[in-house]
Amino acid sequence: GAGVSQSPRYKVTKRGQDVALRCDPISGHVSLYWYRQALGQGPEFLTYFNYEAQQDKSGLPNDRFSAERPEGSISTLTIQRTEQRDSAMYRCASSLPDRAQETQYFGPGTRLLVL
Amino acid sequence: AQSVTQLGSHVSVSEGALVLLRCNYSSSVPPYLFWYVQYPNQGLQLLLKYTSAATLVKGINGFEAEFKKSETSFHLTKPSAHMRDAAEYFCAVSYAGGTSYGKLTFGQGTILTVHP
Repeated sequence: GAGVSQSPRYKVTKRGQDVALRCDPISGHVSLYWYRQALGQGPEFLTYFNYEAQQDKSGLPNDRFSAERPEGSISTLTIQRTEQRDSAMYRCASSLPDRAQETQYFGPGTRLLVL
Repeated sequence: AQSVTQLGSHVSVSEGALVLLRCNYSSSVPPYLFWYVQYPNQGLQLLLKYTSAATLVKGINGFEAEFKKSETSFHLTKPSAHMRDAAEYFCAVSYAGGTSYGKLTFGQGTILTVHP
């Protein structure tokens, strides 16, 4: 079956613009995670959902970042008033339940560049 | 708080040589441990995971890792490197506690180069 997909794959924007990053998880997966990966670093947790409920948003850097998953499937990560420090790879992952031992399946990522 | 340290941001081996990528974790409760591989322009792919069953875990592509609680380590090995193993490898930890079941904490990654 299809894996996790993300769009766009690349996004170049100017400082101050808003961007929306989309994640389409594997069909039937309950849990959806967002991570951010800076160059030369490992991914860092941003937020996660079970179905449509946002369970933990402790990793969101500030209130310019928000995420939603209104119907329990596709999720959107929105960054308002982008800044150059927001430039990174944004990764989405999904898993069946949210148990800690469950495998997370990652999408290809969206590379965001803020000029 | 949990954390992961990968010793060596770059490892270089010859084709056919042993691959050893080091990972040490810090966790106040029993962890679950994962190794992911990242090929260029692709998403992270699970190689193997430890979930408190056997301490020696076998994964895909001939990789294996051993959970050593006394050393808080989960090093990744492969007896004989192949050119196609060249990629970036990430160790990650999670645990069933708090409010973030499934939340992964990653190490900084190790880039593996394989020379002919």
